[in-house]
Amino acid sequence: DVKVTQSSRYLVKRTGEKVFLECVQDMDHENMFWYRQDPGLGLRLIYFSYDVKMKEKGDIPEGYSVSREKKERFSLILESASTNQTSMYLCASSEQLAAYEQYFGPGTRLTVT
Amino acid sequence: AQKITQTQPGMFVQEKEAVTLDCTYDTSDPSYGLFWYKQPSSGEMIFLIYQGSYDQQNATEGRYSLNFQKARKSANLVISASQLGDSAMYFCAMREGRRAGSYQLTFGKGTKLSVIP
Repeated sequence: DVKVTQSSRYLVKRTGEKVFLECVQDMDHENMFWYRQDPGLGLRLIYFSYDVKMKEKGDIPEGYSVSREKKERFSLILESASTNQTSMYLCASSEQLAAYEQYFGPGTRLTVT
Repeated sequence: AQKITQTQPGMFVQEKEAVTLDCTYDTSDPSYGLFWYKQPSSGEMIFLIYQGSYDQQNATEGRYSLNFQKARKSANLVISASQLGDSAMYFCAMREGRRAGSYQLTFGKGTKLSVIP
């Protein structure tokens, strides 16, 4: 069974803290993605990675960075969390040249106070 | 300009009735793909159906069908015989070409469907 897991379902952090969101997939997929989801805005792509140590900015990369040291793991880093980064964060993966679906994790609801 | 437009923020449908969720898209890429995802209140994104730009026939998957009208740039999702478990957010998404070796998806803002018993 296809599996994308995220380290936490719910997370509460303080303004200015460094935050790590972890995503692991067990499908040997080359591509991994980080989205944030806000009411009325749909899903917006933050960063994606198409290979180990490779990363590309998405539509809203400001305030975020990513790390992909191993094929199965893709981390999203908030260097200094701010209240406007309170959101639902969704990780996804897909095969390299897949024109088809991305597989999503369960999401992490992050609250920054 | 928005690449994916879902004009219905919320919709209601009676159980066992059919419902159509609207999606229009904007692209100049001749090769693209259109997707529909379902997101229940639990939060996970569930892939429902896919339509490629060169596919001659409308895609169908069980109770889901995609009404693909290429000239109008619309890709509406039709759910037949609605069930209470269909209550969820529904997102339309588009894949265009390839960037940095990876296909990306652009999502619409979603439609919240509520099925009434």
